Amino acid sequence: DARVTQTPRDKVTEMGQEVTMRCQPILGHNTVFWYRQTMMQGLELLAYFRNRAPLDDSGMPKDRFSAEMPDATLATLKIQPSEPRDSAVYFCASAPPRGGLTEQYFGPGTRLTVT
Amino acid sequence: QKEVEQDPGPLSVPEGAIVSLNCTYSNSAFQYFMWYRQYSRKGPELLMYTYSSGNKEDGRFTAQVDKSSKYISLFIRDSQPSDSATYLCAMSGGGSNYKLTFGKGTLLTVNP
Repeated sequence: DARVTQTPRDKVTEMGQEVTMRCQPILGHNTVFWYRQTMMQGLELLAYFRNRAPLDDSGMPKDRFSAEMPDATLATLKIQPSEPRDSAVYFCASAPPRGGLTEQYFGPGTRLTVT
Repeated sequence: QKEVEQDPGPLSVPEGAIVSLNCTYSNSAFQYFMWYRQYSRKGPELLMYTYSSGNKEDGRFTAQVDKSSKYISLFIRDSQPSDSATYLCAMSGGGSNYKLTFGKGTLLTVNP
């Protein structure tokens, strides 16, 4: 049963600390998305990659957030320095070739709490 | 005004009821309309999608899109306790842009 995996599942950290979230997309999927979900804003797209190249990161605060795909099996989202307003659930999703719009498979999310 | 508006509920219905979930939107460029289901502490999962206007049926679920009114609906027939979840609508202009714009979700509880 292929699925997107994310680590850690939960993260509690203090303001100012660096946070790194990891995602393993489904094997064979070439598009990877990072989303953030909060009660106030709902689910928002932060960035997405196709074939490991960033295509759109317009939803991501550039000063503290960075997203990379070191290889086809790993995507990372870093926050440095973290702030309390970054508290949210961060989801990674992946999609197969030609399925980026209608076949996004979400991971279980990383619940981040910044105190 | 947000591009996609969705009543957050919560919505509570008895088992077997017909459920109607709705979203309105303001961007006339949206062509793809999706419904996702999200269980507590899980990621969203795609239920169904519709391209442009019209209806689409999949088992107990029916999606409707009215582009003239910028209004989409998801109907659940014979609702089951296992349907209890948050339902999110999502939309996109399509093409090479894979960006989805989501509603905030409606929390549904189906009581046995």
